[in-house]
Amino acid sequence: AQKVTQAQTEISVVEKEDVTLDCVYETRDTTYYLFWYKQPPSGELVFLIRRNSFDEQNEISGRYSWNFQKSTSSFNFTITASQVVDSAVYFCALSEGNNAGNMLTFGGGTRLMVKP
Amino acid sequence: KAGVTQTPRYLIKTRGQQVTLSCSPISGHRSVSWYQQTPGQGLQFLFEYFSETQRNKGNFPGRFSGRQFSNSRSEMNVSTLELGDSALYLCASSLGGGPSGANVLTFGAGSRLTVL
Repeated sequence: AQKVTQAQTEISVVEKEDVTLDCVYETRDTTYYLFWYKQPPSGELVFLIRRNSFDEQNEISGRYSWNFQKSTSSFNFTITASQVVDSAVYFCALSEGNNAGNMLTFGGGTRLMVKP
Repeated sequence: KAGVTQTPRYLIKTRGQQVTLSCSPISGHRSVSWYQQTPGQGLQFLFEYFSETQRNKGNFPGRFSGRQFSNSRSEMNVSTLELGDSALYLCASSLGGGPSGANVLTFGAGSRLTVL
């Protein structure tokens, strides 16, 4: 069965610091998809990124970057020069390719607090 | 483009009652998924509907049920409510087609259910 672990339950940083959120996953599938979602206080999850298991290229989008390493089953998320608006709960999620549809397994989430 | 709309946003019920939650997906999206979010269990998959058919089901008791209408709107029902059913219920929609597991989900703001 698939599993996603986010070992950091809460992280507190000061604005402009860099911060990395860790995500480790388990799956027996060779085809799978990894996601990061952000949940601000309003409640709805906001999609950030999707990677498939065949694409290990790291990705950068503005201040956000993602490091996908199949060898360690990790998909870590780094925020560079953090801002107060980055404060939220961040979820890593896994979807296996053998499912007939879309079923996400979420990690427990990491609450990020960015202080001014 | 309107997002995913969930109603009601907040509701309070007592043990033994039943509740129906509604979700209107993004126009053109044919897949609707439901997730339960609690502080103890985190985000857990309930079920997914695609073209009025249940495509996936999570590990929840039969008291939890759902359906999807021809216009893709979905409802979920919880019968004989228990205190442990208090949670944020999130609905997500996606186009639904394409490779299994690859769809990006767009979430609504959720329905917060309190069971007294």
